[in-house]
Amino acid sequence: QVQLVQSGAEVKKPGASVKISCAASGYTFVSYYMHWVRQAPGQGLEWMGVVNPNGGDTDFAQEFKGRLAMTGDTSTQTVYMDLRSLRSDDTAIYYCARGAYDGSLSHFDHWGQGTLVTVSS
Amino acid sequence: DIQLTQSPSILSASVGDRVTITCRASQSVTNWLAWYQQKPGKPPKLLIYKASISETGAPSRFSVSGSGTEFFLTISNLQPEDFAIYYCQQYETFPGTFGRGTKVEVK
Repeated sequence: QVQLVQSGAEVKKPGASVKISCAASGYTFVSYYMHWVRQAPGQGLEWMGVVNPNGGDTDFAQEFKGRLAMTGDTSTQTVYMDLRSLRSDDTAIYYCARGAYDGSLSHFDHWGQGTLVTVSS
Repeated sequence: DIQLTQSPSILSASVGDRVTITCRASQSVTNWLAWYQQKPGKPPKLLIYKASISETGAPSRFSVSGSGTEFFLTISNLQPEDFAIYYCQQYETFPGTFGRGTKVEVK
């Protein structure tokens, strides 16, 4: 079965960077785009960006451009999300989510368990 | 960005009730709309995609209607496991966006 397993919780200071991993299994890794969605405490869902594990193409929401990177490692079937210049309002649960369709626009048929990132001085 | 407005934000109901959640888009999303269910401490779970297609395993008591700018998710015969937050998501226009959610709570 499809599984997306994310790395553990992180606590970071403002201005730092965080890198979260999402290990995929149970399907052909390079055949599906991987998206990242975040959820601030008690809030709704916010799409951040997407990476094509087959080639590494990315696309990001405007508000994250310049401080967000996403990569994929086909040897370990893992995607990574790297967010820089962290602010307190980046405190959120970060989810990887598999896109059912190719490209930047898709619904998400499988989700990781989430990674809590806390940004605090 | 396309704004999705869900109503109500909180819906109080009892087991066995029939409830309907509305999702209105600021512009047409044709049928590129999905619905998710999220329970506390868990990631969202896909229920419906492309406006009307049920994800494998989604209970038949979940039904949908609508297209364009107005969509409805109806839960018939509400079950205890249905108390959760429901989100709509559009993927017609970049960037994909979500509604703010509707919490279905015990009356």
